[in-house]
Amino acid sequence: EAQVTQNPRYLITVTGKKLTVTCSQNMNHEYMSWYRQDPGLGLRQIYYSMNVEVTDKGDVPEGYKVSRKEKRNFPLILESPSPNQTSLYFCASSPRGLVHEQYFGPGTRLTVT
Amino acid sequence: SQQGEEDPQALSIQEGENATMNCSYKTSINNLQWYRQNSGRGLVHLILIRSNEREKHSGRLRVTLDTSKKSSSLLITASRAADTASYFCATDPYGGATNKLIFGTGTLLAVQP
Repeated sequence: EAQVTQNPRYLITVTGKKLTVTCSQNMNHEYMSWYRQDPGLGLRQIYYSMNVEVTDKGDVPEGYKVSRKEKRNFPLILESPSPNQTSLYFCASSPRGLVHEQYFGPGTRLTVT
Repeated sequence: SQQGEEDPQALSIQEGENATMNCSYKTSINNLQWYRQNSGRGLVHLILIRSNEREKHSGRLRVTLDTSKKSSSLLITASRAADTASYFCATDPYGGATNKLIFGTGTLLAVQP
């Protein structure tokens, strides 16, 4: 089944403890991105990747890192999480950039205390 | 600031009625997309309309795009309780030059049985 998977789905952590949220797609998509969703603010793009080894900042990249070493994987790294990063995170992919629909993962609900 | 803004923020209708929600954006675009999100879940793509298209249909969905007014509307006809969800528009600002996808804050649709 064609899909985008994220792990973990739920995570509660403490301030400053490094964490990684994984994202994987099995559709051979070139474009992948991360979003965070907060009440009243909609979805905001954190980072995106046009292809392997090509990543760039979205609108809210502060406090996050990404890597794209393989086409299928696009992990989101929080080196030192803070409470303001408590949010619902979505990974998405598309065949080639923004001319195609985005396929979204199920989301990761992160709470930083 | 948000590239896309939906109107209204919330809409409550009876089953069988039509629902119309609007999206306004600020810059030139290549395409505009509409997504649906059931509470706390991943987004599901509904329709993509390109900047040279004025109207597009998919089942009970009808999307219009007016690039001169920088606005789009999503019409759901003969609504069902299962249509209850949040609806988001997304655009690729500056004709896609930024490779970013910007979402609006969404319209929360409640369809009463």
